[in-house]
Amino acid sequence: DTTVKQNPRYKLARVGKPVNLICSQTMNHDTMYWYQKKPNQAPKLLLFYYDKILNREADTFEKFQSSRPNNSFCSLYIGSAGLEYSAMYLCASSRGLGGRGTLYFGAGTRLSVL
Amino acid sequence: SQWGEENLQALSIQEGEDVTMNCSYKTYTTVVQWYRQKSGKGPAQLILIRSNEREKRSGRLRATLDTSSQSSSLSITGTLATDTAVYFCATGNSAGNKLTFGIGTRVLVRP
Repeated sequence: DTTVKQNPRYKLARVGKPVNLICSQTMNHDTMYWYQKKPNQAPKLLLFYYDKILNREADTFEKFQSSRPNNSFCSLYIGSAGLEYSAMYLCASSRGLGGRGTLYFGAGTRLSVL
Repeated sequence: SQWGEENLQALSIQEGEDVTMNCSYKTYTTVVQWYRQKSGKGPAQLILIRSNEREKRSGRLRATLDTSSQSSSLSITGTLATDTAVYFCATGNSAGNKLTFGIGTRVLVRP
């Protein structure tokens, strides 16, 4: 029974078009994360919100945007999808900062860019 | 990268056998976590082991941590077909706000 939900589970996008992925959690966690997972690669942290503060990783700063309108919801936005964005996108949440505690993951959204 | 290994490891074992997987990390951490990801699901934490602990057990799972060699291992005893998954190790950064994952070990347990 997962309490981190991601929508949609599968997303097909065209090159150059925007993509918006949604995540929600019901645990009232402070922090929400987005990871990108490609086959045979480690999950890669893209960004995270600690409360209302967005932290984006330096090497993906220009590529991804996010919003967190309330504690429960967090989105991941790609302004112009490229083929290299095809991947599984995993959302996670944690009480406090996740580096020292447990991350709770959703089942992911598989994005295919054509 | 945070982790020493560069290629996804894959292990195929018979149900009932024991299995051990290893990770090595490059930068200091106070915590090593092990996660399991089954097909169609997100990763789920199995064990969290802190730098002042050398070993931690949970049911059939046993994790070890050697801070001097910056390595950790996860052992599963008496594997079941339901243990089939990808197992990730992960470390926290010094600020404690990020978790960095290794590439994972794919374990197939044959019934």
